[in-house]
Amino acid sequence: GDSVTQMEGPVTLSEEAFLTINCTYTATGYPSLFWYVQYPGEGLQLLLKATKADDKGSNKGFEATYRKETTSFHLEKGSVQVSDSAVYFCALLSGGYNKLIFGAGTRLAVHP
Amino acid sequence: DGGITQSPKYLFRKEGQNVTLSCEQNLNHDAMYWYRQDPGQGLRLIYYSQIVNDFQKGDIAEGYSVSREKKESFPLTVTSAQKNPTAFYLCASSIVPVGQGNEQYFGPGTRLTVT
Repeated sequence: GDSVTQMEGPVTLSEEAFLTINCTYTATGYPSLFWYVQYPGEGLQLLLKATKADDKGSNKGFEATYRKETTSFHLEKGSVQVSDSAVYFCALLSGGYNKLIFGAGTRLAVHP
Repeated sequence: DGGITQSPKYLFRKEGQNVTLSCEQNLNHDAMYWYRQDPGQGLRLIYYSQIVNDFQKGDIAEGYSVSREKKESFPLTVTSAQKNPTAFYLCASSIVPVGQGNEQYFGPGTRLTVT
């Protein structure tokens, strides 16, 4: 079945460092791909999305490119801030019922 | 403001009791979902509903029940048959018909603790 694999955390960075969180997927067809962010004690917020190969999603300085050839959707940010500390989830939209398949999440901690 | 409301934020119950978690949305979305989140894990789908009076089991429906009598509301009951009910429960909604990139919008979650 469809699945998403994310790099394990926690990822610990200093402020202004470059961020990459790896995400690869297994799916039939051409799913839509998402990154969600979860701040402590809260629900998930959509960070960005891409709906077809070579699309680049971007928001708040974060970017991810839908790579069909490597089945990847890695999240990047050029300069992280303390306020970016959160758990990041990669997800794909599976099948005909809008079913989201989530990765396990990657915790990011940014220190001043 | 449009959004999804879940209440309460924290819920405590004794083992053997059923408990119902509330989820309300005013986004006019047809589809609604319940997910369970355990520490260090991704979200797992419990139930979903694409239209009023219809719902489908997700990946981990055992020990849970839902109803969808109104478009705005999708309550989840955690029954005494659920072996490990302590978790963070998230409700979500999305527009229908399903299409490419129809993202789901999430509520703030309810943390249930059963002792």
